[in-house]
Amino acid sequence: EVQLVESGGGLVQPGGSLRLSCAASGFTFSSYSMNWVRQAPGKGLEWVSYISSSSSTIYYADSVKGRFTISRDNAKNSLYLQMNSLRDEDTAVYYCARAPTITMNNWFDPWGQGTLVTVSS
Amino acid sequence: VIWMTQSPSLLSASTGDRVIISCRMSQGISSYLAWYQQKPGKAPELLIYAASTLQSGVPSRFSGSGSGTDFTLTISCLQSEDFATYYCQQYYSFPPTFGQGTKVEIK
Repeated sequence: EVQLVESGGGLVQPGGSLRLSCAASGFTFSSYSMNWVRQAPGKGLEWVSYISSSSSTIYYADSVKGRFTISRDNAKNSLYLQMNSLRDEDTAVYYCARAPTITMNNWFDPWGQGTLVTVSS
Repeated sequence: VIWMTQSPSLLSASTGDRVIISCRMSQGISSYLAWYQQKPGKAPELLIYAASTLQSGVPSRFSGSGSGTDFTLTISCLQSEDFATYYCQQYYSFPPTFGQGTKVEIK
């Protein structure tokens, strides 16, 4: 069964840092591009970041550029999101999501269950 | 950035109803559109990709249509488990963007 499991969320003060992880199983992780998508409480979905299978191509939403860093470790079947200089508006559930095809432009399937990040003093 | 207008934002319906949700793009995206269902406290689940291709395991009462700038998601006979929020997503260009969501509630 294809599965994605996020971890690392929690409460952090504004200006603080947090590192999210996403453990993948049930598929050949190294063959797929991955994404982070977030959802603020009671709000819609916002794409955050993309990383290609080999880490050669990386993109960020303008809202997080310069503050967040996406990475992956194919040997550990894991995806990461290092979040620095956190702001109140970064409060959200963060999902990791697989890009199902080899092209860069993709839908997302499957999604992990999400991990909640709360930025508050 | 491609902007998306999803409508309605709230839809009240009864079991057995035919439901149509619309998604309009700020520019043409060919058929690079996906639809998701999200239930409270859960992650989104893929229903349809390439505007009209049903994801494996999704009931056939769900269907998608459209190309260019105008797309629709149709639920032909609403079931109790279909009360949820639905999102469209374009993947024609980066960044991928989502519609604002349509909450389908019990009438």
